[in-house]
Amino acid sequence: DQQVKQNSPSLSVQEGRISILNCDYTNSMFDYFLWYKKYPAEGPTFLISISSIKDKNEDGRFTVFLNKSAKHLSLHIVPSQPGDSAVYFCAASSNYNQGGKLIFGQGTELSVKP
Amino acid sequence: EAGVVQSPRYKIIEKKQPVAFWCNPISGHNTLYWYRQNLGQGPELLIRYENEEAVDDSQLPKDRFSAERLKGVDSTLKIQPAELGDSAVYLCASSLASGGRTQYFGPGTRLTVL
Repeated sequence: DQQVKQNSPSLSVQEGRISILNCDYTNSMFDYFLWYKKYPAEGPTFLISISSIKDKNEDGRFTVFLNKSAKHLSLHIVPSQPGDSAVYFCAASSNYNQGGKLIFGQGTELSVKP
Repeated sequence: EAGVVQSPRYKIIEKKQPVAFWCNPISGHNTLYWYRQNLGQGPELLIRYENEEAVDDSQLPKDRFSAERLKGVDSTLKIQPAELGDSAVYLCASSLASGGRTQYFGPGTRLTVL
């Protein structure tokens, strides 16, 4: 029972273009969503988050969109840079019945080509 | 400010041997998490501590795994005896308090069981 899904295992984008990473979830009790970036041999690094009371959060080149009715969120990176090449994980949590435990998707490997 | 510290970074052992991982969370973070990440998957929670109390250990295989967080700061995760299927990356994370929604991860310990 995969509550958080990232259906694209990989994505390749040209430098300077937009990268769009997608994530779907099934549990309507999730109220907080996060994106993490992971380089090889390192732990996940927090990137950006969004509360369920919002539909958009922006931080520099990174924007997260939340569509609660579709149970879908996406991460936009614009413009993409070669240093953005990494595995991106979306994660969701619910403070109501899971004590803030993060449920992760399987990850999407982003490759930004010069 | 120092991040989450974990040691060792890599560990190779033979099956049936014991192994222990150590974590020092970010200063002031009361909540500590241990996750396991299998290849090609997102991290999965093993145990969550609020100060020195394990408040969620439902996913911890208690027949062979144990954890402790003495004095509510450092934590140790132990496996005894290790099995081939325990090969994974073990990640420690911390957050400000229960309800501190963003978790910060350490670099992880990559365990290989031969």
